[in-house]
Amino acid sequence: NAGVTQTPKFQVLKTGQSMTLQCAQDMNHNSMYWYRQDPGMGLRLIYYSASEGTTDKGEVPNGYNVSRLNKREFSLRLESAAPSQTSVYFCASSEERVRNSPLHFGNGTRLTVT
Amino acid sequence: KNEVEQSPQNLTAQEGEFITINCSYSVGISALHWLQQHPGGGIVSLFMLSSGKKKHGRLIATINIQEKHSSLHITASHPRDSAVYICAVPVQDSNYQLIWGAGTKLIIKP
Repeated sequence: NAGVTQTPKFQVLKTGQSMTLQCAQDMNHNSMYWYRQDPGMGLRLIYYSASEGTTDKGEVPNGYNVSRLNKREFSLRLESAAPSQTSVYFCASSEERVRNSPLHFGNGTRLTVT
Repeated sequence: KNEVEQSPQNLTAQEGEFITINCSYSVGISALHWLQQHPGGGIVSLFMLSSGKKKHGRLIATINIQEKHSSLHITASHPRDSAVYICAVPVQDSNYQLIWGAGTKLIIKP
């Protein structure tokens, strides 16, 4: 089992460019999440998908869109990247809601926007 | 407001020492998560517990729901235990959001 797989690992964008971060899990988990982590700050939830076909905003959704393509895949799109979006992005999944299930994380994507 | 406080912020110890990291939270919860973030950045879930104690190898997590406090212990610490340890609790009124502690940076010297 690969667990949670994120691509790419690194990305450099110019301001205004767009990109999609891909995430897939092979654990048949219902719920998936996108977090960002900035230096000196904890993880902040961008969007989550409680189950296939649903997505909801987290704490910091502005500037991002998501797609839950199927049960396995949950992508994060930056339509017009800004320097404030320079961060490390983590995808995660859980079998059920986080009140009852542990999180499984991907290895992260380090994004720099110049 | 649901808040999570961890202590200490930083901890440096010698190999073999017994390590304790503490986590306090302000409101009632259903479960608490302990995670480890490696120096390379990867995040691993260590424990999720709602009562009592859990053990995995040299790691032990305890929780006291009444006192709103959890501890993570590492026995016979090793340099490979060097990492940031994070606790997190569910946000009230949300099934999918967590409040994250600031993390405890642990360094184990050989």
